[in-house]
Amino acid sequence: DTGVSQDPRHKITKRGQNVTFRCDPISEHNRLYWYRQTLGQGPEFLTYFQNEAQLEKSRLLSDRFSAERPKGSFSTLEIQRTEQGDSAMYLCASSLADTGRGKNIQYFGAGTRLSVL
Amino acid sequence: KQEVTQIPAALSVPEGENLVLNCSFTDSAIYNLQWFRQDPGKGLTSLLLIQSSQREQTSGRLNASLDKSSGRSTLYIAASQPGDSATYLCAVRANFNKFYFGSGTKLNVKP
Repeated sequence: DTGVSQDPRHKITKRGQNVTFRCDPISEHNRLYWYRQTLGQGPEFLTYFQNEAQLEKSRLLSDRFSAERPKGSFSTLEIQRTEQGDSAMYLCASSLADTGRGKNIQYFGAGTRLSVL
Repeated sequence: KQEVTQIPAALSVPEGENLVLNCSFTDSAIYNLQWFRQDPGKGLTSLLLIQSSQREQTSGRLNASLDKSSGRSTLYIAASQPGDSATYLCAVRANFNKFYFGSGTKLNVKP
């Protein structure tokens, strides 16, 4: 396994269109995270899955955003009716669940850069 | 809400210098702190992770320290090289599954 994969790497779309991104985590990792990163800022947490269950969502995740992880493996992040403010890098990370206060090291993909025109 | 601040925002040094990057956080109730490296247009690469019970971690030329009570961490890079040029981000794990990132320090090491 070569790490976390994200597809596509770049997406250019017109305002109002729907877009979907895919993340394939490291195969044995049961936790999967989505982040959004804008220029000059650190990543901001969007949502998190443990196996197929979406356990936490940020207030940043408006009704236009939906994420799924149907079989507990890959995940998709869909943005409906895109707006120019959605332009950002969308990062996916995966990790192994720990017990209590364990390491939970996150491994990141290369990201999908979204440009909304 | 946990807030993470990194100072300086940018740093330019000549090759060979030792340097220190700073990270501060507002809520000391953290599980761990992680330092990452990000190259332009790329994802994040984990460098070091310090558990809340630890004071420091070392990997090669990198040394990270953690003072949880004062809400501070430093990343020390010894004998810097041009290949170290990147943005360095720190992130705190503030509850079971949520991570908060700083805005990063953009490092340029000049040959």
